[in-house]
Amino acid sequence: DVKVTQSSRYLVKRTGEKVFLECVQDMDHENMFWYRQDPGLGLRLIYFSYDVKMKEKGDIPEGYSVSREKKERFSLILESASTNQTSMYLCASSLWQGVGTDTQYFGPGTRLTVL
Amino acid sequence: KNEVEQSPQNLTAQEGEFITINCSYSVGISALHWLQQHPGGGIVSLFMLSSGKKKHGRLIATINIQEKHSSLHITASHPRDSAVYICAAHSGGGADGLTFGKGTHLIIQP
Repeated sequence: DVKVTQSSRYLVKRTGEKVFLECVQDMDHENMFWYRQDPGLGLRLIYFSYDVKMKEKGDIPEGYSVSREKKERFSLILESASTNQTSMYLCASSLWQGVGTDTQYFGPGTRLTVL
Repeated sequence: KNEVEQSPQNLTAQEGEFITINCSYSVGISALHWLQQHPGGGIVSLFMLSSGKKKHGRLIATINIQEKHSSLHITASHPRDSAVYICAAHSGGGADGLTFGKGTHLIIQP
């Protein structure tokens, strides 16, 4: 079974702190994604990566950056956390099959609170 | 950009009832996904379909491409089916082409 793990289930940070959220997948997937999920808004794509060192902006990249130095690991970085970044963050991965319709496998999520 | 609408937003039913959750989208798609999210956050992919119907246990997903509509049915519902069900439409050729609905919060009471 595909396993996607995230470094923390719950995280509390202060405004202005730099925050790192780590995601690791163990199935050699090319694609990795970071989403945030907020009540009433559903899942929104922040960034995704289709290869090592490659990244593409999603729908809401402002205030975030990402890093993919190794195929299995995709990091989301909040350079200076703000209260409006309090949310559930979900990582996902998928195998690239050339048509972009691949099943995405999700991690358990990190509930981040910024005070 | 595709718009994905789900209905109902919330649904409470009694154990054993037949459940239907609807999903409509605005732009032609290459695939539609149904996902399940249990309390605590974890999301599991239930189905990916581009035409017709798929069945897995008590879950059935159908899609009507002409009407841009999909349904998820649960037969003989059980309290363990309580979860948020999310549909997502893939309308682009790239890996980022998924647009998610806001989810349907289903509660099955014993």
